[in-house]
Amino acid sequence: RKEVEQDPGPFNVPEGATVAFNCTYSNSASQSFFWYRQDCRKEPKLLMSVYSSGNEDGRFTAQLNRASQYISLLIRDSKLSDSATYLCVVNNFNKFYFGSGTKLNVKP
Amino acid sequence: EPEVTQTPSHQVTQMGQEVILRCVPISNHLYFYWYRQILGQKVEFLVSFYNNEISEKSEIFDDQFSVERPDGSNFTLKIRSTKLEDSAMYFCASLREGAYNEQFFGPGTRLTVL
Repeated sequence: RKEVEQDPGPFNVPEGATVAFNCTYSNSASQSFFWYRQDCRKEPKLLMSVYSSGNEDGRFTAQLNRASQYISLLIRDSKLSDSATYLCVVNNFNKFYFGSGTKLNVKP
Repeated sequence: EPEVTQTPSHQVTQMGQEVILRCVPISNHLYFYWYRQILGQKVEFLVSFYNNEISEKSEIFDDQFSVERPDGSNFTLKIRSTKLEDSAMYFCASLREGAYNEQFFGPGTRLTVL
């Protein structure tokens, strides 16, 4: 079983739409969780850490469900500039496991 | 805001040659990492480095690879005898310790082995 699994997409949505991504992880002892954004041929950039209680940063909301071992990312009011690949990352004792990413295309 | 930097941005080499990829992590970070990403594939962990030694490495990180922190700022990845399949983006990252231990990535080095 893969450490981190994500739906590869692509998710094709119109501007203004709300879109949600899920990610599951296999190791219940994992300590911290993140969403990164990666543009084509660029480095991953930290979008947000995922707090146990859930957290929001502007149009982005992240949730963690430890019992079911999944993490979600909700993007509201999608912008063209949100088009990218979203990587789910799980930290287990400072070893980081990456999902294969979910591709988002926001269309005008 | 401090950033991780990497040089060169693109390295082209012949199969069998040695390459050294360089990274300058964020200055007050203590954990450093190398990852690779083959075009169209996921980011893969290679090695982590803490307190001047390797703390963990993946099965990809075989005897052809080595890492070094030759001075207080640089962190290098050496590939001794490159193979075609080493062609990839190589990302360096450093870790900000805290409640969530967040990683920050450099812009990457694109390695092309001919």
